[in-house]
Order: sequence, then structure tokens, then C-alpha cells
Amino acid sequence: AQKITQTQPGMFVQEKEAVTLDCTYDTSDQSYGLFWYKQPSSGEMIFLIYQGSYDEQNATEGRYSLNFQKARKSANLVISASQLGDSAMYFCAMREANTDKLIFGTGTRLQVFP
Amino acid sequence: EAGVAQSPRYKIIEKRQSVAFWCNPISGHATLYWYQQILGQGPKLLIQFQNNGVVDDSQLPKDRFSAERLKGVDSTLKIQPAKLEDSAVYLCASSPVTSGRGDKQFFGPGTRLTVL
Repeated sequence: AQKITQTQPGMFVQEKEAVTLDCTYDTSDQSYGLFWYKQPSSGEMIFLIYQGSYDEQNATEGRYSLNFQKARKSANLVISASQLGDSAMYFCAMREANTDKLIFGTGTRLQVFP
Repeated sequence: EAGVAQSPRYKIIEKRQSVAFWCNPISGHATLYWYQQILGQGPKLLIQFQNNGVVDDSQLPKDRFSAERLKGVDSTLKIQPAKLEDSAVYLCASSPVTSGRGDKQFFGPGTRLTVL
């Protein structure tokens, strides 16, 4: 069965520094998609970045990049130049093959301090 | 463009009572999802609609949960009767198409349910 593992319950980073949030996944499918969402205290899940299993380049969206290592089944999120507004929960998710169903990890709480 | 709307934002009920949540997806989005997010966990899909038909309800506790999407637009999720373990945030999401490789789901602010 597909599974997402986020081993860091909480992370601290100083403003303007870069931070990496870990995500590993387990699937026997060859075709799948990986997503990162941000959930601030307001509760809404905000899409950050997407990586397809067949994409050869690592995805980037502004200050967000996804370090995709297919052989290791990892999809770590890198946030460059952290901002105070980046403080939130971050969830890694996987889309099952041929469906739209997202399977989420347990999340990592990021706190950015001045 | 207006986002996904949900109401109410908060609801407190006693166990064995019933409760209903409402969701209005982004205009034109064919697919609508209801997720349950228990404190400390990631969201878990309860049900997925494509227009007004159910695509996946395999994780919906059908003895107490029901959902409908009349006319393929708004949706309601009902719990009857509620149990203590139903305390969670209920998130609604929508997306424009199904099975698109990178089609992201747009989430609403959620309804926080507390069952006493």
C-alpha cells in the first residue's frame, strides 16, 4: 500500500536561511505524483509544488524546490530564504496511479524565527 | 477567482447528535473531495465526486456519514449520529479535471468539528 512518511515533527529555521523538510514514500506503482502543501494556522491547505514520477528535472516554484531522488523514494522540500510567513505545517502527499486520491503524511511544523 | 467556500467554520455538538457541512467548490471545477483531518494527522479522503457522481467513497463510514452533490456543484457532508472520534477538521477541495498528472486540488478553510 502507498504510504508517505515525514519523520520531522518540527523544524526551526532562522529567517533568510534555507531549510529542508524530509519526505519519503512507498509505492509499487511506476506512475505517481508527489505534492507539497502548506497549512497555516487558518487551516487552509495551500499547494506549493508538484513532481511527477517521470519528470527528469527537479520541480521548482519560486523559493520552493523539490529534491526528488527516485531510487531512494524521497521527495524533500527545500525552502530557500525563509520568511516569517513560512511558519506553518507542511504536508507531503502522493497521488495514487490513475486516480486523483491524495495520501498525506503526518506533516512537519516549521517555525521561522527572526 | 473565488476559492472553495465552506460553512460553518466551527461546530460544537454532543455525541449522538447530527451535523451537516456545506461546500461550494471553485466555479467550473468538476471534481469535489471531502477530507477528514484528525489533530496531528494529515488529511484522509472520505469521498470524491466527479460532477454529481461518486468516484471513491471507500473510506467513508457509511453507517453514519453521508454526502451528496446535487447538480454537480455544491456538496453537503452529514454525520448522523456523531461520535467522539469524529472530532476533526473537515476539508473540502476541488479540482478542474480528473487524473491530470499535475492537477492540484484547491482546498477550502475547513470546518472544525468538536464532539463532546
